[in-house]
Amino acid sequence: KAGVTQTPRYLIKTRGQQVTLSCSPISGHRSVSWYQQTPGQGLQFLFEYFSETQRNKGNFPGRFSGRQFSNSRSEMNVSTLELGDSALYLCASSLEGRTNTGELFFGEGSRLTVL
Amino acid sequence: AQSVTQLDSHVSVSEGTPVLLRCNYSSSYSPSLFWYVQHPNKGLQLLLKYTSAATLVKGINGFEAEFKKSETSFHLTKPSAHMSDAAEYFCVVRGPYTGGFKTIFGAGTRLFVKA
Repeated sequence: KAGVTQTPRYLIKTRGQQVTLSCSPISGHRSVSWYQQTPGQGLQFLFEYFSETQRNKGNFPGRFSGRQFSNSRSEMNVSTLELGDSALYLCASSLEGRTNTGELFFGEGSRLTVL
Repeated sequence: AQSVTQLDSHVSVSEGTPVLLRCNYSSSYSPSLFWYVQHPNKGLQLLLKYTSAATLVKGINGFEAEFKKSETSFHLTKPSAHMSDAAEYFCVVRGPYTGGFKTIFGAGTRLFVKA
């Protein structure tokens, strides 16, 4: 069974540009969540999607947005990039349900560098 | 409210000696608890999970953790460290919230293993 796939793995942008990151969850997983990881702030929750609906959102500015498609694939977008947006962006999928454990399966991340 | 505290930001052990990574949590209900490991520039890999079954949980690569409700702790241990265990470890709490799950990450503990 294929794991969570994130693309691209590495990218470099300049301030003011925008970026779109993609995440394909494990087949059958309907929940996708996104996290930002930086040395200073650690792992921070961005947002979570389930069946194309955003269920929860972290404390990030409106420049950060996301969406989920009918096949559960998800994208996140960051507009007007700032130097502080440089980070490893991790996507995780989960098989949500009444009896599941809520275990998250992570992709390898997209490393964004903003110059 | 939920919170997770990893008591040590760095732990250094010699190869072949025991490993202890400490985690305390706070939750207003019975959460699911996880330990994840992250190697450089990689995603997070699940080591083990506690979901209200046995309080001593065995995971991959010889790791185990004991859930102690009275102490609100979920410490990770391994009898004998290996060089390949050098990585960052995250204690994670997940619990239900309206419509899904809420995820709280500890700040991480970096494990160094000396030859």
